[in-house]
Amino acid sequence: DTEVTQTPKHLVMGMTNKKSLKCEQHMGHRAMYWYKQKAKKPPELMFVYSYEKLSINESVPSRFSPECPNSSLLNLHLHALQPEDSALYLCASSQVPKGADTQYFGPGTRLTVL
Amino acid sequence: LAKTTQPISMDSYEGQEVNITCSHNNIATNDYITWYQQFPSQGPRFIIQGYKTKVTNEVASLFIPADRKSSTLSLPRVSLSDTAVYYCLVGDMRNTGTASKLTFGTGTRLQVTL
Repeated sequence: DTEVTQTPKHLVMGMTNKKSLKCEQHMGHRAMYWYKQKAKKPPELMFVYSYEKLSINESVPSRFSPECPNSSLLNLHLHALQPEDSALYLCASSQVPKGADTQYFGPGTRLTVL
Repeated sequence: LAKTTQPISMDSYEGQEVNITCSHNNIATNDYITWYQQFPSQGPRFIIQGYKTKVTNEVASLFIPADRKSSTLSLPRVSLSDTAVYYCLVGDMRNTGTASKLTFGTGTRLQVTL
């Protein structure tokens, strides 16, 4: 099973809402990633979890809060977002946290902030 | 991090061979070169990876010259379904236990027509 699943597929939220994105993999991977992708732009790395610990935070605003409850799950908690945060949010995982390791991406969550 | 440069877009007819070249002048000794494919509103998908010379799989070939400052992804006999964005990335192959970043460049938008 080489699948990364993400829920929900689509999310519309107001600027005062609190919501969460969920990502799951059952490949035994020990690195998990959150990316943000705007239309016609490349994915931008947000966070990296390595062995369930936050290893990289690319200066992401605190209104985005990642969480890794266990080695299979990755959450992204959203609070007080801005309309410019509307984007495709991609989760990925790799066997180990090294740059050359193949990353397996989920289908993404399309987020719209009103 | 080694920066990559690719053509912004390419056009091809169905059935032709397509070669996409990526420049990575400051690639490090420990870096591998990886190519991903992304369809609209989906996560990127691994295509091929290499370190030097030539790598071939069922989907593509990757040519890397001796100085490794560039690489060429070759897609044989493209079809309409190969219309996508192709990203060239350079990443560290060492697993140091600490996460290393994978930075997406602008990518090449390939349009295949009849």
